[in-house]
Amino acid sequence: DADVTQTPRNRITKTGKRIMLECSQTKGHDRMYWYRQDPGLGLQLIYYSFDVKDINKGEISDGYSVSRQAQAKFSLSLESAIPNQTALYFCATSDLRRLGPTDTQYFGPGTRLTVL
Amino acid sequence: LAKTTQPISMDSYEGQEVNITCSHNNIATNDYITWYQQFPSQGPRFIIQGYKTKVTNEVASLFIPADRKSSTLSLPRVSLSDTAVYYCLVGDMGGNTGKLIFGQGTTLQVKP
Repeated sequence: DADVTQTPRNRITKTGKRIMLECSQTKGHDRMYWYRQDPGLGLQLIYYSFDVKDINKGEISDGYSVSRQAQAKFSLSLESAIPNQTALYFCATSDLRRLGPTDTQYFGPGTRLTVL
Repeated sequence: LAKTTQPISMDSYEGQEVNITCSHNNIATNDYITWYQQFPSQGPRFIIQGYKTKVTNEVASLFIPADRKSSTLSLPRVSLSDTAVYYCLVGDMGGNTGKLIFGQGTTLQVKP
């Protein structure tokens, strides 16, 4: 979805380095999410945020931290990158203000991170 | 969130109808059933969502039996461009968690 952008798209780094992945959205959604995907596997939720003051851990938050700088921006940090954090990272957004209980998520193009 | 089980992979030919079934025996009363599609090196994309009976949109149909313990995604007349991974998700999508739990998905390979 072009309304959800991620930077960088590709990144190679070394073990122990601090890395920040950024996500921006122009959809006006309140909810934002970070997922990682390993080859051949489904997506795993790292962190999610329902608004600027709300941050929640997902399934695999260890080794990661996030910052919700504004409604439109949600950053994921790896404080000290390790090789098993090599993966494809996706940001997503959703809007619960629609009528009804359903909550479709819109995904960014992904960031491919390699930790050597 | 309810656990889902779906086939790891399926093959089909262009022009055929493809049905992918997902089992979710522990589905809760408030849970919706949602299907996402993912092409290589892209983020998942919403396809269809339903609660019961049948839902149809311009892309697919979703069949949900009365007991809601399974669901079937139906793709009419597939083309090569439908080759992708299809994920079945079950959960209280708009509720307290908002989390989506992705399984391994079904890799659909459409052949000419």
